[in-house]
Amino acid sequence: EIVLTQSPATLSLSPGERATLSCRASQSVVNFLAWYQQKPGQAPRLLIYYGSNRATGVPARFNGSGSGTDFTLTISSLEPEDFAVYYCHQRLSWPGTLGQGTTVEIK
Amino acid sequence: QVQLVQSGAEVKKPGTSVKVSCKASGYTFTTYDITWVRQAPGQGWLEWMGWIRPYNGHTNYAQKFQGRVTMTTDTATNTAYMELRTLRSDDTAVYYCARDSSTTWTDSWGQGTLVTVSS
Repeated sequence: EIVLTQSPATLSLSPGERATLSCRASQSVVNFLAWYQQKPGQAPRLLIYYGSNRATGVPARFNGSGSGTDFTLTISSLEPEDFAVYYCHQRLSWPGTLGQGTTVEIK
Repeated sequence: QVQLVQSGAEVKKPGTSVKVSCKASGYTFTTYDITWVRQAPGQGWLEWMGWIRPYNGHTNYAQKFQGRVTMTTDTATNTAYMELRTLRSDDTAVYYCARDSSTTWTDSWGQGTLVTVSS
């Protein structure tokens, strides 16, 4: 099974700051990696797919990069609505595996 | 706009079954798969259960749920269904449906259906 390790577990930042989230796979997932945002009581929201493709309606401040085993989600300037939990998910092999999540909290 | 509207919360006893519906609108139902994902309350863990292709009814279930889950669709009403049988307390979760494709992945999600399994 492919294990995804996200870091850090928690990121404490202020609005306007840059957030950099990491997702590392135990073996190559090529570019079959997505990033999701989830807020309490809400369904997950797809942000990035195929490693770097922004989903429809996702603001340009969200950028995904990486391939193989190392991936990064960057939020260039945090807006108040961006404080949430972020998950990476690989779907190279069904049903895929999920990272344990990074919580981006207000400092 | 694309919308997936799920059925309401359910309370079930252990050993029984639940069937959750997911009504799609705003797109051609048969051109996307429907994926089902669940999340235990208060837990961050999202669990991919399986998917169904409304175009031809083809399904692919995660090994963990094989034999206990059945996914179906009704193309006349643009509705997908997920039935989970022999419920246990650890099946208590919010169940989500999501529109899925190889080109746009799970880009739209239902609001979730809480299924509580309790004696």
